[in-house]
Amino acid sequence: SAVISQKPSRDICQRGTSLTIQCQVDSQVTMMFWYRQQPGQSLTLIATANQGSEATYESGFVIDKFPISRPNLTFSTLTVSNMSPEDSSIYLCSVEGPVESSTDTQYFGPGTRLTVL
Amino acid sequence: QKEVEQNSGPLSVPEGAIASLNCTYSDRGSQSFFWYRQYSGKSPELIMSIYSNGDKEDGRFTAQLNKASQYVSLLIRDSQPSDSATYLCAVNRSWNNNDMRFGAGTRLTVKP
Repeated sequence: SAVISQKPSRDICQRGTSLTIQCQVDSQVTMMFWYRQQPGQSLTLIATANQGSEATYESGFVIDKFPISRPNLTFSTLTVSNMSPEDSSIYLCSVEGPVESSTDTQYFGPGTRLTVL
Repeated sequence: QKEVEQNSGPLSVPEGAIASLNCTYSDRGSQSFFWYRQYSGKSPELIMSIYSNGDKEDGRFTAQLNKASQYVSLLIRDSQPSDSATYLCAVNRSWNNNDMRFGAGTRLTVKP
């Protein structure tokens, strides 16, 4: 499976600010996804990061709050904008691929633990 | 009805016993099913995937799928304290094979 890294691994931010999380994969992958895992909860899909086009957001998540970029097949960013304490969570990048396979299995990055004060 | 349902636990078993984790799903057309293990403070790691009815074995782990009953389970034989973690069941939606939905997870504790 691909090796996935995320930066930062954790951060503490002030309310009203924004944080951009990076996800880097060591090989080209077909799909990249962003999830949120709130304390003690399961994973909730925020959006699918589409290469070269706008991300596809799940119900309850909007581009203004969670802008996503995916400039190529190995990299994506998620920005959490105008943060509030309710955004405190673990944000996880996952990938499906590599591009030459037909797998639908997702593998997860190490996550970014965000605390908003 | 939640798309993917699991007993939240906690489930406690003695070392060496069989741990049985269960999951039901609502989308009858789903074709892909996964079990992930998540240690506290870590990200989910894939244990097994299963696509066909019946059993699939990998070492001490056996996944069981029954599409007619919309039920998937994970058995862990000879449970070890290192198996203590939260186990997440995940199912791909039938109309979008890239769209994975997760259950709430079952917390397993294996007591020495």
